[in-house]
Amino acid sequence: DIQMTQSPSSVSASVGDRVTITCRASQEISFWLSWYQQKPGKAPKLLIYAASSLQSGVPSRFSGSGYGTQFTLTISSLQPEDFATYYCQQGNTFPPAFGPGTKVDFK
Amino acid sequence: EVQLVESGGGLVQPGGSLRLSCAASGFTFSSYWMTWVRQAPGRGLEWVATIKLDGSEEYYVDSVKGRFTLSRDNAKNSMNLQMTNLRAEDTAVYYCAREGYCSGSACYSGSDNWGQGTLVIVSS
Repeated sequence: DIQMTQSPSSVSASVGDRVTITCRASQEISFWLSWYQQKPGKAPKLLIYAASSLQSGVPSRFSGSGYGTQFTLTISSLQPEDFATYYCQQGNTFPPAFGPGTKVDFK
Repeated sequence: EVQLVESGGGLVQPGGSLRLSCAASGFTFSSYWMTWVRQAPGRGLEWVATIKLDGSEEYYVDSVKGRFTLSRDNAKNSMNLQMTNLRAEDTAVYYCAREGYCSGSACYSGSDNWGQGTLVIVSS
């Protein structure tokens, strides 16, 4: 099975900061990588699919990149509503494992 | 508007059974693969199972194989997760989700719509 890791596990940031989260797959997954945002008590929300495609309705300050085994989610200018936990998920093969998550909180 | 509504969660004793349901509306249910994802209290997301659009095949995480059975009724726009021999480690919020692009034996573009979740507690 493919394992997913994320770094950092948490990041403290301020409004307006640029935030970058890295996700790594234990095997090549082409560009079949999705990113989700989850706020406490809420369902996850798809932000990015196919490594770099922005899901409809998601602000353009969110962007994704990467291919193969290493991927990045970038928030160009952090907004108050972006404080949340972010998960990556591989979609190349079953089981579609999630990463452990990265919590973005207030500095 | 796409809507996914889970039901059936609750408190059950270890070894017991529970049946979760997901009612879908606002889209052509029979055209999408569907998935269950769970989240134990204070933990991350864990994919549980996915079913093909016609119900011809299901995929399960190893920890639930042989205990959970996923089915769907396209005529009723619904999906069910029958859970048996439940364990304490199955305690979680269970989310129903719609898959994006799927083909062959993989879903490539993430789960684009989610329900609000239903809580399952396995405890004596």
